[in-house]
Amino acid sequence: GNSVTQMEGPVTLSEEAFLTINCTYTATGYPSLFWYVQYPGEGLQLLLKATKADDKGSNKGFEATYRKETTSFHLEKGSVQVSDSAVYFCALINLTGGGNKLTFGTGTQLKVEL
Amino acid sequence: NAGVTQTPKFRILKIGQSMTLQCTQDMNHNYMYWYRQDPGMGLKLIYYSVGAGITDKGEVPNGYNVSRSTTEDFPLRLELAAPSQTSVYFCASSWEAGGPYEQYFGPGTRLTVT
Repeated sequence: GNSVTQMEGPVTLSEEAFLTINCTYTATGYPSLFWYVQYPGEGLQLLLKATKADDKGSNKGFEATYRKETTSFHLEKGSVQVSDSAVYFCALINLTGGGNKLTFGTGTQLKVEL
Repeated sequence: NAGVTQTPKFRILKIGQSMTLQCTQDMNHNYMYWYRQDPGMGLKLIYYSVGAGITDKGEVPNGYNVSRSTTEDFPLRLELAAPSQTSVYFCASSWEAGGPYEQYFGPGTRLTVT
């Protein structure tokens, strides 16, 4: 079946530090990959996505590249801000028999301090 | 355009009570979903619907029921509440399958069963 594994948190960084949150996946065929962000007390919002191998998704200074050879979709940002403090979820949709159902990782909490 | 709305925001239930979590979307999406989010466990799909009158089970359907009489509404019913159903519940919606369409999430309902 489909699964997503992401690094455990919390990740605590100082403002302007470099961020990497690792995400790897298991799926047959060619899934689409997503990063969702959940700010405190809110629902999830789509941060970025990539639909095929070597695609790079980017938004708000965050980026992630779909690496089929390593089955990874790591999230990166060059300089984090306090406002980036949130929980980040890696997810996939596998249209090969999976419909439009998202499979989520367990989430990684990011805390950015001044 | 309100997106996906959920009521109530918070609820405390006693063991054995029943309740309905409401979800409404105004984006004319065909697909709607219910997830539960437990600490450190990511999101698990409870039920989903591909259109009015059509529903199907997700990963963790036991103890829940759904109906979809209109495109806009997708209520989730808890019968005989149990402590194991203490969680945060999210409703989401998206366009049809056939592409990696973004799922739009509501703000969530925090349910405690004691």
